[in-house]
Amino acid sequence: AQKVTQAQTEISVVEKEDVTLDCVYETRDTTYYLFWYKQPPSGELVFLIRRNSFDEQNEISGRYSWNFQKSTSSFNFTITASQVVDSAVYFCALTGAGNNRKLIWGLGTSLAVNP
Amino acid sequence: NAGVTQTPKFQVLKTGQSMTLQCAQDMNHEYMSWYRQDPGMGLRLIHYSVGAGITDQGEVPNGYNVSRSTTEDFPLRLLSAAPSQTSVYFCASSPLRDTLGDTQYFGPGTRLTVL
Repeated sequence: AQKVTQAQTEISVVEKEDVTLDCVYETRDTTYYLFWYKQPPSGELVFLIRRNSFDEQNEISGRYSWNFQKSTSSFNFTITASQVVDSAVYFCALTGAGNNRKLIWGLGTSLAVNP
Repeated sequence: NAGVTQTPKFQVLKTGQSMTLQCAQDMNHEYMSWYRQDPGMGLRLIHYSVGAGITDQGEVPNGYNVSRSTTEDFPLRLLSAAPSQTSVYFCASSPLRDTLGDTQYFGPGTRLTVL
């Protein structure tokens, strides 16, 4: 069975701190994709990144970076020099084999960045 | 491009009433889906469609109907609303370029309360 675990339910940091959000996944598929989405207080779901199972290169986009490690089935997300605007719920998700393209979601990590 | 739009943003129903949640996308995406988001349960797939005239059930389809008469529109119908359907509903769309890893883009959501 496929599963995504985000063990950190809530994180609170002070502005400018670095913060890492953990994501651990389970799948028997050899081909799969991992995603991160952001849900700000306004409620929409904003796509951040997609990574396929064959690409273990880390990625950096501005203050955001992602570390994908197949050996530990993890896809962690780091925000450097956090800002108040980063306050949101962050979701990690997984798709695997099958025609329905269902996203398997973690329960999210609520990040509060305090001034 | 407006992306994925959903109407209404908020809705209150009485038990037993029916209604349709509207979803439209202007990106010519073949794949569309409906998720519901509930506290502690994450996002769960209700129904999905891989093209006009083709729909299928997700993991929580009971009490909901869908149809896909055009590429752009994918309405979700609640046949007889129940309090258990109180939730936030998200519509998403994606192209079908990749085997399973195309990014799904989400609408702003509809917050539904059933009394």
